Amino acid sequence: KAGVTQTPRYLIKTRGQQVTLSCSPISGHRSVSWYQQTPGQGLQFLFEYFSETQRNKGNFPGRFSGRQFSNSRSEMNVSTLELGDSALYLCASKLQRGRNTGELFFGEGSRLTVL
Amino acid sequence: QKEVEQNSGPLSVPEGAIASLNCTYSDRVSQSFFWYRQYSGKSPELIMSIYSNGDKEDGRFTAQLNKASQYVSLLIRDSQPSDSATYLCAVNVGGAQKLVFGQGTRLTINP
Repeated sequence: KAGVTQTPRYLIKTRGQQVTLSCSPISGHRSVSWYQQTPGQGLQFLFEYFSETQRNKGNFPGRFSGRQFSNSRSEMNVSTLELGDSALYLCASKLQRGRNTGELFFGEGSRLTVL
Repeated sequence: QKEVEQNSGPLSVPEGAIASLNCTYSDRVSQSFFWYRQYSGKSPELIMSIYSNGDKEDGRFTAQLNKASQYVSLLIRDSQPSDSATYLCAVNVGGAQKLVFGQGTRLTINP
């Protein structure tokens, strides 16, 4: 069974540009969450999508957005990139909501560097 | 106050000893608690989940939960060098179905 797949794995952008990251969840998983990981802030929740609807959103500016498609694949977009957006962006999927909502399966991440 | 707090370490433990990792959380209504392990350069992986007060054992790992004290811990018995990693405590916050992670504790097992 294939795991969570994220693309691209590495990318370099300059300030002011925008970036789109993609995530394919484990087959059958309908929930996709996105996290930002930095050495200083740790893992921070960005948003969660379930059945193409955003269920939860973290405390990030509106420059960070996402969406989910009918096949559960998800994308996140960051516009007007800032140096502080340099981070590892992790996507995680889970089978269902409810009590085990914390049992996430993470992808390898997309490492974004903003110059 | 952070929603989930952990001692960032590093925590150094000799091989064969018990490693004890601690976590506190602020949301009294949280019901689900998790421990993830993250090796350097890798993504987090779930190793334990606990939902009820008390202990839950899985092989060399024991998770302990005390909701009254808002405290979760992870014990690793017979620590091995392969246990060297960052351990992340995660808590479902309130009814928001949002999983919040602590900063993580970096654990090193010394041969």
